[in-house]
Amino acid sequence: DVKVTQSSRYLVKRTGEKVFLECVQDMDHENMFWYRQDPGLGLRLIYFSYDVKMKEKGDIPEGYSVSREKKERFSLILESASTNQTSMYLCASSSPGILVEQYFGPGTRLTVT
Amino acid sequence: GQQVMQIPQYQHVQEGEDFTTYCNSSTTLSNIQWYKQRPGGHPVFLIQLVKSGEVKKQKRLTFQFGEAKKNSSLHITATQTTDVGTYFCAYNAGNMLTFGGGTRLMVKP
Repeated sequence: DVKVTQSSRYLVKRTGEKVFLECVQDMDHENMFWYRQDPGLGLRLIYFSYDVKMKEKGDIPEGYSVSREKKERFSLILESASTNQTSMYLCASSSPGILVEQYFGPGTRLTVT
Repeated sequence: GQQVMQIPQYQHVQEGEDFTTYCNSSTTLSNIQWYKQRPGGHPVFLIQLVKSGEVKKQKRLTFQFGEAKKNSSLHITATQTTDVGTYFCAYNAGNMLTFGGGTRLMVKP
């Protein structure tokens, strides 16, 4: 059974803290993605990676960075958390190509106070 | 870039009623995918449509891709409480998915 896991389901951080969100997939997928989900806005792509050490900006990369040192692991970093980064963060992975589905992790609900 | 607009944003139905959500684009799409997210869950892939005018069925769910490949719809016949959730359309271009805003379906038993 395919699996994408995320390090935390719920996380509470203070403004200005550095935050790491970890994602691991066991499907040997080349592509990995980070989205944030907010009510009424759907899923918005923050960053994606199509290979180890490769990354591409998505639609809303400001305030975020990513790291992909190993194929199975993709980390999202908030260098200095702000209250407007309170959101649900979803990681996903897929094989390369256009006609492929994405597999999502359970999500991390991050609250920044 | 391209965007897909999804309507309605919310829909309440009585159990047993039908439900339809629509996904519209101003430009031609090469493909469309549909995902379902249960309350408290994560999006799960339902289906992909590629051909103009394509229609696919999964039990009570019928998916259509418009002739001009600018719109798509998901129709659920005789809704059940297990259909509750948010349905997203998305299109894939160059390894990236762009999602519609989703339609949240609520079913009254």
